[in-house]
Amino acid sequence: KAGVTQTPRYLIKTRGQQVTLSCSPISGHRSVSWYQQTPGQGLQFLFEYFSETQRNKGNFPGRFSGRQFSNSRSEMNVSTLELGDSALYLCASSLEAVSYEQYFGPGTRLTVT
Amino acid sequence: DAKTTQPPSMDCAEGRAANLPCNHSTISGNEYVYWYRQIHSQGPQYIIHGLKNNETNEMASLIITEDRKSSTLILPHATLRDTAVYYCIVRPYNNAGNMLTFGGGTRLMVKP
Repeated sequence: KAGVTQTPRYLIKTRGQQVTLSCSPISGHRSVSWYQQTPGQGLQFLFEYFSETQRNKGNFPGRFSGRQFSNSRSEMNVSTLELGDSALYLCASSLEAVSYEQYFGPGTRLTVT
Repeated sequence: DAKTTQPPSMDCAEGRAANLPCNHSTISGNEYVYWYRQIHSQGPQYIIHGLKNNETNEMASLIITEDRKSSTLILPHATLRDTAVYYCIVRPYNNAGNMLTFGGGTRLMVKP
């Protein structure tokens, strides 16, 4: 069974631009979560989706948004990029709305210049 | 804020057991202890979880103290590939969802 896939793997954007990152969960998994990882703040939770509904949201500004499609694939969008948005963005999928295990993808490395 | 305290770094000799401690003195009765690890440049990987009994799987063993205020992850025969940051996380298994709150973790260095 294929793992969690994230595209693109690497991305360079300029301040003020917007970006969309994509995540395809493991087949059959219906829950998708997003995390941001930076050297200064570590791994921080962004948001979680189940059955196209946002269930939880972390403490991030409104520039960060996401959605989940009917096939469980998810996208996150960051508008008006800032230098501090440079980070590794990780997606994790779980089988159900409440699961013991989460499976992480390899991440998308975003660099904002 | 993370509810766990872990040493920032540890060393272990290859082939020896690696014992990674975690303090979670404010754990609630419905909260489980989870361990994940992150190998450099990869996404975190689930290792094991437990509520109050000791648990073992093909990757590791989890020992939880009787008062549940601390736990130890044991890698019985550490290899160089076990070099990673290990995260201890506590969270309830309920309708609140799957959100994980990561702390700083322990950077384990396995040395030849």
